[in-house]
Amino acid sequence: KQEVTQIPAALSVPEGENLVLNCSFTDSAIYNLQWFRQDPGKGLTSLLLIQSSQREQTSGRLNASLDKSSGRSTLYIAASQPGDSATYLCAVRKGSNYKLTFGKGTLLTVNP
Amino acid sequence: SQTIHQWPATLVQPVGSPLSLECTVEGTSNPNLYWYRQAAGRGLQLLFYSVGIGQISSEVPQNLSASRPQDRQFILSSKKLLLSDSGFYLCAWSISGRSYNEQFFGPGTRLTVL
Repeated sequence: KQEVTQIPAALSVPEGENLVLNCSFTDSAIYNLQWFRQDPGKGLTSLLLIQSSQREQTSGRLNASLDKSSGRSTLYIAASQPGDSATYLCAVRKGSNYKLTFGKGTLLTVNP
Repeated sequence: SQTIHQWPATLVQPVGSPLSLECTVEGTSNPNLYWYRQAAGRGLQLLFYSVGIGQISSEVPQNLSASRPQDRQFILSSKKLLLSDSGFYLCAWSISGRSYNEQFFGPGTRLTVL
């Protein structure tokens, strides 16, 4: 059974700091990994999707990496801003099954 | 561009009452559709997914059911709500036939069962 863990559960940083969020998964036979952002009381916004054959994906100030063999992914946020404050979730998909297995998320607070 | 709608946004229902939550997608055809539940302190859990009209797969046994009466409409139902059905319900879609299957989520429905 696939399990996804996100560490830390919460993170508070001053504005402008670069930061890394971690995601680990127990079964390395994944199809892809997706990072999401969730604002309080809102739905999920897709940030980045990394295929199992890829090592990283970039979008603006966000960079996600994937090391499938070790079961790890990181989300790097450069020059953090108060607007980046949200819960960040990672999810992995295994094979042709459409199911995404989610971590419980990291609550990020960026202080002005 | 594609958009996904869910309603109602919030719902308070008594135990034992019926439930109907609706999700519709615009701007695409024959999407894969999903229902997730997010309960307090727990991760998102996939409840149902559908690859076409009338085709529903259930991930976990529960008090809920899903239907897809039209291509871009997905409905979550219950005949009698339980306290444990409270949570945040999210609908999602992805392009069918695509190997990368990026999923896009709606705004969610907050359900409170009293």
